[in-house]
Amino acid sequence: GAVVSQHPSWVICKSGTSVKIECRSLDFQATTMFWYRQFPKQSLMLMATSNEGSKATYEQGVEKDKFLINHASLTLSTLTVTSAHPEDSSFYICSASLAGVGDTQYFGPGTRLTVL
Amino acid sequence: QKEVEQNSGPLSVPEGAIASLNCTYSDRVSQSFFWYRQYSGKSPELIMSIYSNGDKEDGRFTAQLNKASQYVSLLIRDSQPSDSATYLCAVSGSGNTGKLIFGQGTTLQVKP
Repeated sequence: GAVVSQHPSWVICKSGTSVKIECRSLDFQATTMFWYRQFPKQSLMLMATSNEGSKATYEQGVEKDKFLINHASLTLSTLTVTSAHPEDSSFYICSASLAGVGDTQYFGPGTRLTVL
Repeated sequence: QKEVEQNSGPLSVPEGAIASLNCTYSDRVSQSFFWYRQYSGKSPELIMSIYSNGDKEDGRFTAQLNKASQYVSLLIRDSQPSDSATYLCAVSGSGNTGKLIFGQGTTLQVKP
């Protein structure tokens, strides 16, 4: 149980284009989903917290107009990197919390983004 | 000051030994504590959660929590080379946001 999927697992795009990453909870309803970014040999950096049906809460320093988050249902959240640049190349990971089961987060497999 | 601190390592242990990973946290009101394992190039996977003082065992893993000392640890018995990974300590944040505060992680190397 508590399986989270992400799609795509990797993507290569040209500078200036937009990329959408999907995060799905496959066997549970997730009241809250989280988006993280991780650069090589660094720890996880929380980008934003996403609750179904409401606007995402972004961490300080994260541009909300560049990283668009939509949480349309209890099983799906999307992250769109708009006008991507090479410095946005990173490993993007989502996680989801089970409704009513406290703070446990289950992570998706991650999406590796390379911007050329 | 970091909110969750871990020794980055690497911690090197021989196969079959006990690996001891430690974590301290600064927020006294934290209620939930987690250990995640992250292999290189992969996303974190949950190993254990612990909420009460004392020990919690799951197979070869034992989590220990001491809220008075603001300390949580993970013991791995009979360490295997497949346990070689980065271990992330996570602590629930303040408020009811569901956010976790992650440490920098400790890299464990189990040598055959």
